[in-house]
Amino acid sequence: GAVVSQHPSRVICKSGTSVKIECRSLDFQATTMFWYRQFPKKSLMLMATSNEGSKATYEQGVEKDKFLINHASLTLSTLTVTSAHPEDSSFYICSAGRTSGSSYEQYFGPGTRLTVT
Amino acid sequence: AQSVSQHNHHVILSEAASLELGCNYSYGGTVNLFWYVQYPGQHLQLLLKYFSGDPLVKGIKGFEAEFIKSKFSFNLRKPSVQWSDTAEYFCAVNARGDYKLSFGAGTTVTVRA
Repeated sequence: GAVVSQHPSRVICKSGTSVKIECRSLDFQATTMFWYRQFPKKSLMLMATSNEGSKATYEQGVEKDKFLINHASLTLSTLTVTSAHPEDSSFYICSAGRTSGSSYEQYFGPGTRLTVT
Repeated sequence: AQSVSQHNHHVILSEAASLELGCNYSYGGTVNLFWYVQYPGQHLQLLLKYFSGDPLVKGIKGFEAEFIKSKFSFNLRKPSVQWSDTAEYFCAVNARGDYKLSFGAGTTVTVRA
């Protein structure tokens, strides 16, 4: 159990266009999902926390108008990179949170490789 | 906010060698601690976690980690590595009651056959 999928796995887009990435929890409901960005040879950087039915909470330095997050259901969160530029090229990873007993864990999706040309 | 430091950027080992990866965190309150692994081309997977209780936790694939509260450390160990342990290893922390994770920079482990 606790499988998280992302779609697409890879996307190439032209500068100035927008790209939507989907994150789904396949076998559990997640009131909270998280979006990370991973640079080559670097750690995961939390971009925002996505809460079902409410606005996302963005980390400091992350442009909320550029990275639009929608969490319309308990199994789906989307990240839209608007007016993408080459510097937005990166590996974007989502995770879905689930409480298990007294513990809380995040389950990670396989990531989406975005290349902006 | 909490921060996490991993001491080793890249570790190269031969099969059957023992592995220990260092992880230290800075946070004054109670924390939950995690080690994740990312195999080449795959997504992050949880190796093990510590929430409370026995500070020596055992995870999957023969890994274990020890929480030493006085040293703010959570080092990962495996007595005998295999070629298939080649991967990126991340230590992560969250404050108790906070769902957000802070990750270390990661350690690349290369196991030579």
